[in-house]
Amino acid sequence: AQSVTQLDSQVPVFEEAPVELRCNYSSSVSVYLFWYVQYPNQGLQLLLKYLSGSTLVESINGFEAEFNKSQTSFHLRKPSVHISDTAEYFCAVSEPSEGSQGNLIFGKGTKLSVKP
Amino acid sequence: EPEVTQTPSHQVTQMGQEVILRCVPISNHLYFYWYRQILGQKVEFLVSFYNNEISEKSEIFDDQFSVERPDGSNFTLKIRSTKLEDSAMYFCASRGTGNYNEQFFGPGTRLTVL
Repeated sequence: AQSVTQLDSQVPVFEEAPVELRCNYSSSVSVYLFWYVQYPNQGLQLLLKYLSGSTLVESINGFEAEFNKSQTSFHLRKPSVHISDTAEYFCAVSEPSEGSQGNLIFGKGTKLSVKP
Repeated sequence: EPEVTQTPSHQVTQMGQEVILRCVPISNHLYFYWYRQILGQKVEFLVSFYNNEISEKSEIFDDQFSVERPDGSNFTLKIRSTKLEDSAMYFCASRGTGNYNEQFFGPGTRLTVL
């Protein structure tokens, strides 16, 4: 069975500092990997995804994540955060098998708090 | 930009009562999902729905739960007899055709069972 572990429940950082939000997964099959972000009082929004190909994927707002198969990780990074990045970040996996409906298995989430 | 909407944003109910949570998926999407998040815990998959029937469900989705697409636009989750442990944030999601396309999530309904 698939599972996702986000080791850090809360990450406080100062504005313009770098940040890394950790995500590890376990699965007996290959997986697709996702990062979703939830801003206060809003729904989950897809930030970036890894399906295949280059192991480094980027979002339009400066976040990137690298798929590391040997370490079964998909950590999210940003070199310089802004106040507006304050949100909760969820790592998720789905199984790319024929017939799968693409159900997502989520981690517990990491609350990123950016301070001025 | 099209979005998934959910109503109500917050529902308070007494234990044992029936609740219906409503979702309007994006209009040309064909796959629909319900997830829930108990406070402080993971977002958990409940059920997926395609072609007017349940395609997958988790062990959480027992006989107390049901889903329906009554009119081609709404997608509802019914809990027949609520329990205290049903208190959670419930998220609806939808996606278009083609595997592994992005799931679009609604803002959620917070269900509080007293």
